[in-house]
Amino acid sequence: GQQLNQSPQSMFIQEGEDVSMNCTSSSIFNTWLWYKQDPGEGPVLLIALYKAGELTSNGRLTAQFGITRKDSFLNISASIPSDVGIYFCAGLIYNQGGKLIFGQGTELSVKP
Amino acid sequence: GAGVSQSPSNKVTEKGKDVELRCDPISGHTALYWYRQSLGQGLEFLIYFQGNSAPDKSGLPSDRFSAERTGGSVSTLTIQRTQQEDSAVYLCASSRDSTTGELFFGEGSRLTVL
Repeated sequence: GQQLNQSPQSMFIQEGEDVSMNCTSSSIFNTWLWYKQDPGEGPVLLIALYKAGELTSNGRLTAQFGITRKDSFLNISASIPSDVGIYFCAGLIYNQGGKLIFGQGTELSVKP
Repeated sequence: GAGVSQSPSNKVTEKGKDVELRCDPISGHTALYWYRQSLGQGLEFLIYFQGNSAPDKSGLPSDRFSAERTGGSVSTLTIQRTQQEDSAVYLCASSRDSTTGELFFGEGSRLTVL
Protein backbone atom coordinates (compact mmCIF):
# COMPACT_ATOMS: atom_id res chain seq x y z
CA GLY A 1 0.00 0.00 0.00
CA GLN A 2 0.93 3.66 -0.04
CA GLN A 3 3.63 4.75 2.35
CA LEU A 4 4.95 8.17 3.26
CA ASN A 5 8.61 8.44 4.24
CA GLN A 6 9.11 11.40 6.51
CA SER A 7 12.48 12.81 7.58
CA PRO A 8 14.15 13.58 9.80
CA GLN A 9 12.65 11.50 12.60
CA SER A 10 13.71 14.05 15.20
CA MET A 11 15.35 17.45 15.40
CA PHE A 12 16.95 19.35 18.25
CA ILE A 13 17.38 23.03 17.47
CA GLN A 14 18.06 26.35 19.15
CA GLU A 15 15.29 28.91 19.44
CA GLY A 16 15.42 31.27 16.47
CA GLU A 17 16.74 28.69 14.01
CA ASP A 18 14.90 27.68 10.87
CA VAL A 19 13.61 24.11 10.46
CA SER A 20 13.00 22.01 7.39
CA MET A 21 11.37 18.60 7.12
CA ASN A 22 10.13 16.61 4.18
CA CYS A 23 8.00 13.74 3.06
CA THR A 24 8.40 11.48 0.03
CA SER A 25 6.46 8.63 -1.48
CA SER A 26 6.61 6.29 -4.43
CA SER A 27 2.91 7.01 -4.95
CA ILE A 28 1.22 10.09 -6.37
CA PHE A 29 -1.06 12.04 -4.05
CA ASN A 30 -3.76 14.57 -4.97
CA THR A 31 -3.44 16.49 -1.72
CA TRP A 32 -0.63 16.94 0.80
CA LEU A 33 -1.26 18.17 4.31
CA TRP A 34 0.86 18.94 7.36
CA TYR A 35 -0.37 18.40 10.91
CA LYS A 36 1.15 19.12 14.33
CA GLN A 37 0.55 17.08 17.47
CA ASP A 38 1.15 18.43 20.96
CA PRO A 39 1.62 15.95 23.84
CA GLY A 40 -1.62 14.34 24.94
CA GLU A 41 -3.65 15.84 22.13
CA GLY A 42 -4.80 14.92 18.66
CA PRO A 43 -3.05 16.33 15.58
CA VAL A 44 -4.10 19.76 14.33
CA LEU A 45 -4.01 20.81 10.68
CA LEU A 46 -1.34 23.40 9.84
CA ILE A 47 -1.33 23.63 6.04
CA ALA A 48 -3.13 21.95 3.14
CA LEU A 49 -1.78 21.84 -0.43
CA TYR A 50 -4.02 20.96 -3.37
CA LYS A 51 -2.01 21.63 -6.53
CA ALA A 52 1.32 20.30 -7.74
CA GLY A 53 3.95 23.00 -7.35
CA GLU A 54 1.83 24.97 -4.89
CA LEU A 55 3.73 26.94 -2.25
CA THR A 56 1.66 28.02 0.73
CA SER A 57 2.51 30.00 3.85
CA ASN A 58 0.80 30.23 7.22
CA GLY A 59 2.66 32.69 9.43
CA ARG A 60 6.16 31.32 9.99
CA LEU A 61 5.27 28.07 8.23
CA THR A 62 5.81 27.45 4.53
CA ALA A 63 4.97 24.23 2.71
CA GLN A 64 5.26 23.08 -0.88
CA PHE A 65 3.54 20.39 -2.94
CA GLY A 66 6.19 18.79 -5.15
CA ILE A 67 5.86 19.00 -8.92
CA THR A 68 5.94 15.20 -9.23
CA ARG A 69 3.10 14.99 -6.63
CA LYS A 70 5.25 12.49 -4.75
CA ASP A 71 6.78 14.79 -2.16
CA SER A 72 6.27 17.82 0.08
CA PHE A 73 8.32 19.87 2.49
CA LEU A 74 7.54 22.04 5.49
CA ASN A 75 9.73 24.91 6.66
CA ILE A 76 9.42 26.72 9.98
CA SER A 77 11.25 30.01 10.24
CA ALA A 78 12.60 31.59 13.44
CA SER A 79 11.50 28.73 15.71
CA ILE A 80 10.07 29.43 19.14
CA PRO A 81 9.58 27.10 22.15
CA SER A 82 5.89 26.52 21.36
CA ASP A 83 6.88 24.94 18.04
CA VAL A 84 7.83 21.84 20.04
CA GLY A 85 5.77 18.81 19.05
CA ILE A 86 5.45 16.12 16.42
CA TYR A 87 4.85 17.16 12.82
CA PHE A 88 3.12 14.76 10.45
CA CYS A 89 2.77 14.89 6.70
CA ALA A 90 -0.34 13.29 5.22
CA GLY A 91 -1.38 12.38 1.70
CA LEU A 92 -4.83 11.96 0.21
CA ILE A 93 -5.73 9.89 -2.84
CA TYR A 94 -9.15 10.70 -4.28
CA ASN A 95 -9.65 7.39 -6.04
CA GLN A 96 -9.34 5.65 -2.70
CA GLY A 97 -12.44 7.42 -1.48
CA GLY A 98 -10.70 9.91 0.75
CA LYS A 99 -8.35 7.61 2.66
CA LEU A 100 -5.71 9.79 4.35
CA ILE A 101 -2.26 8.29 4.95
CA PHE A 102 0.18 9.74 7.50
CA GLY A 103 3.95 9.78 7.67
CA GLN A 104 5.83 8.58 10.74
CA GLY A 105 6.31 12.08 12.10
CA THR A 106 9.18 14.45 12.89
CA GLU A 107 9.66 15.22 16.57
CA LEU A 108 10.88 18.78 17.07
CA SER A 109 12.61 19.97 20.23
CA VAL A 110 13.51 23.66 20.65
CA LYS A 111 16.02 24.86 23.20
CA PRO A 112 15.30 28.35 24.55
CA GLY B 1 -20.20 19.90 20.82
CA ALA B 2 -17.56 22.19 19.39
CA GLY B 3 -15.01 19.48 18.72
CA VAL B 4 -14.59 15.75 18.32
CA SER B 5 -15.27 14.00 21.59
CA GLN B 6 -13.82 10.60 22.49
CA SER B 7 -14.50 8.36 25.46
CA PRO B 8 -13.10 6.94 27.58
CA SER B 9 -9.93 9.02 27.63
CA ASN B 10 -8.13 6.18 29.38
CA LYS B 11 -8.95 2.49 29.52
CA VAL B 12 -7.03 -0.24 31.29
CA THR B 13 -8.18 -3.77 30.61
CA GLU B 14 -7.03 -7.31 31.02
CA LYS B 15 -5.86 -9.42 28.13
CA GLY B 16 -8.77 -11.26 26.56
CA LYS B 17 -11.46 -8.75 27.49
CA ASP B 18 -13.49 -6.79 24.93
CA VAL B 19 -13.38 -2.99 24.82
CA GLU B 20 -15.50 -0.33 23.16
CA LEU B 21 -14.22 3.11 22.29
CA ARG B 22 -16.65 5.87 21.38
CA CYS B 23 -16.31 8.86 19.07
CA ASP B 24 -18.73 11.76 18.78
CA PRO B 25 -17.81 13.76 15.64
CA ILE B 26 -18.38 17.42 14.91
CA SER B 27 -22.01 18.01 14.01
CA GLY B 28 -22.55 18.00 10.26
CA HIS B 29 -19.30 16.24 9.40
CA THR B 30 -19.99 13.38 7.03
CA ALA B 31 -16.59 11.67 7.16
CA LEU B 32 -15.26 9.88 10.24
CA TYR B 33 -11.86 8.22 10.63
CA TRP B 34 -10.18 5.97 13.21
CA TYR B 35 -6.40 5.84 13.58
CA ARG B 36 -4.11 4.02 15.99
CA GLN B 37 -0.95 5.56 17.41
CA SER B 38 1.46 3.30 19.24
CA LEU B 39 4.09 4.81 21.53
CA GLY B 40 6.44 7.00 19.52
CA GLN B 41 4.89 5.94 16.23
CA GLY B 42 2.94 7.59 13.47
CA LEU B 43 -0.77 7.35 12.81
CA GLU B 44 -1.89 3.98 11.49
CA PHE B 45 -5.12 4.13 9.45
CA LEU B 46 -7.79 1.74 10.70
CA ILE B 47 -11.17 2.54 9.15
CA TYR B 48 -13.02 5.36 7.48
CA PHE B 49 -16.73 6.17 7.06
CA GLN B 50 -18.14 8.57 4.47
CA GLY B 51 -21.86 9.29 4.64
CA ASN B 52 -23.94 6.22 3.87
CA SER B 53 -21.25 4.53 1.80
CA ALA B 54 -19.71 1.24 2.85
CA PRO B 55 -16.77 1.95 5.19
CA ASP B 56 -13.16 1.48 4.09
CA LYS B 57 -11.99 -1.21 6.51
CA SER B 58 -8.68 -1.82 4.81
CA GLY B 59 -6.61 -0.76 7.84
CA LEU B 60 -8.19 -2.99 10.48
CA PRO B 61 -5.33 -5.21 11.70
CA SER B 62 -7.41 -8.32 12.42
CA ASP B 63 -10.98 -9.58 12.64
CA ARG B 64 -10.93 -8.77 16.35
CA PHE B 65 -11.36 -5.13 15.35
CA SER B 66 -14.67 -3.74 14.14
CA ALA B 67 -16.35 -0.37 13.97
CA GLU B 68 -19.78 0.97 13.28
CA ARG B 69 -21.28 4.36 12.81
CA THR B 70 -24.90 4.76 13.81
CA GLY B 71 -27.15 7.31 12.15
CA GLY B 72 -24.22 8.88 10.37
CA SER B 73 -22.96 10.36 13.64
CA VAL B 74 -21.51 8.56 16.66
CA SER B 75 -19.02 5.78 15.99
CA THR B 76 -17.88 2.88 18.16
CA LEU B 77 -14.63 0.99 17.69
CA THR B 78 -14.75 -2.46 19.25
CA ILE B 79 -11.74 -4.62 20.00
CA GLN B 80 -12.55 -8.20 20.98
CA ARG B 81 -10.28 -10.48 23.00
CA THR B 82 -7.73 -7.73 23.52
CA GLN B 83 -4.02 -8.50 23.28
CA GLN B 84 -1.08 -6.59 24.76
CA GLU B 85 -0.07 -5.38 21.31
CA ASP B 86 -3.41 -3.57 21.08
CA SER B 87 -2.14 -1.07 23.66
CA ALA B 88 -2.05 2.32 21.94
CA VAL B 89 -3.84 5.63 21.62
CA TYR B 90 -6.88 5.34 19.38
CA LEU B 91 -7.63 8.62 17.62
CA CYS B 92 -10.89 9.54 15.98
CA ALA B 93 -11.25 12.37 13.47
CA SER B 94 -14.07 13.87 11.47
CA SER B 95 -14.21 15.98 8.34
CA ARG B 96 -16.87 17.91 6.42
CA ASP B 97 -16.33 15.48 3.58
CA SER B 98 -13.75 13.08 2.27
CA THR B 99 -12.25 15.22 -0.48
CA THR B 100 -10.12 17.68 1.46
CA GLY B 101 -8.12 15.65 3.98
CA GLU B 102 -8.83 18.40 6.52
CA LEU B 103 -9.45 16.34 9.62
CA PHE B 104 -10.39 17.45 13.10
CA PHE B 105 -9.08 15.05 15.71
CA GLY B 106 -10.28 14.16 19.16
CA GLU B 107 -7.83 13.83 22.04
CA GLY B 108 -7.78 10.07 21.74
CA SER B 109 -8.54 7.08 23.92
CA ARG B 110 -5.46 5.56 25.54
CA LEU B 111 -5.86 1.79 25.79
CA THR B 112 -3.61 -0.28 28.03
CA VAL B 113 -3.93 -4.06 27.93
CA LEU B 114 -2.34 -5.81 30.88
